Amino acid sequence: AQSVTQPDIHITVSEGASLELRCNYSYGATPYLFWYVQSPGQGLQLLLKYFSGDTLVQGIKGFEAEFKRSQSSFNLRKPSVHWSDAAEYFCAVGSLGQGGKLIFGQGTELSVKP
Amino acid sequence: ETGVTQTPRHLVMGMTNKKSLKCEQHLGHNAMYWYKQSAKKPLELMFVYNFKEQTENNSVPSRFSPECPNSSHLFLHLHTLQPEDSALYLCASSQAGTVQGSGYTFGSGTRLTVV
Repeated sequence: AQSVTQPDIHITVSEGASLELRCNYSYGATPYLFWYVQSPGQGLQLLLKYFSGDTLVQGIKGFEAEFKRSQSSFNLRKPSVHWSDAAEYFCAVGSLGQGGKLIFGQGTELSVKP
Repeated sequence: ETGVTQTPRHLVMGMTNKKSLKCEQHLGHNAMYWYKQSAKKPLELMFVYNFKEQTENNSVPSRFSPECPNSSHLFLHLHTLQPEDSALYLCASSQAGTVQGSGYTFGSGTRLTVV
């Protein structure tokens, strides 16, 4: 079955500390992978996406993610977290053959301590 | 401005009311989606439209009725809702079938409260 797992429901980090949010997927076809961020009461904003090529992708707001096929993972990282990064983060997977449909993980809520 | 506009932003309705949510995209995308996001729950895909045709209905109750008159507009008609239908309803669009167009652009959502 196709699925996306974000093992951490809630993470708290100190401002200025590094961040890694985990994402594992199970997908039969060649996956396209995405990370989205959602501020309270808002829609989801695309942070970055991976289709092919370089497995380390850069996104907006200083985020990056690394695709590791052997581990079926696409973890999101940021070297130094800012208080404004507090939000919910969603990993998603899709492919060309699914009519554009994405499968989302359950999300990871990030809190940032001053 | 995300390119996908949802109206209204907030809606309070009684269980006997009929209301509609509207979604509009000016991105030239060919696919549109409705998602339900309840507190502390994963995103739930409700409906998928490709080129104005409904291609997926994830066992959504009939009190939710989608309409896609053209590739730029998507509606969700609501009637006889239940309190548990209170949630954030998100619309998204994508250019399905292309690599670079894959991935959604979301609207800001409609916060629905059923009283």
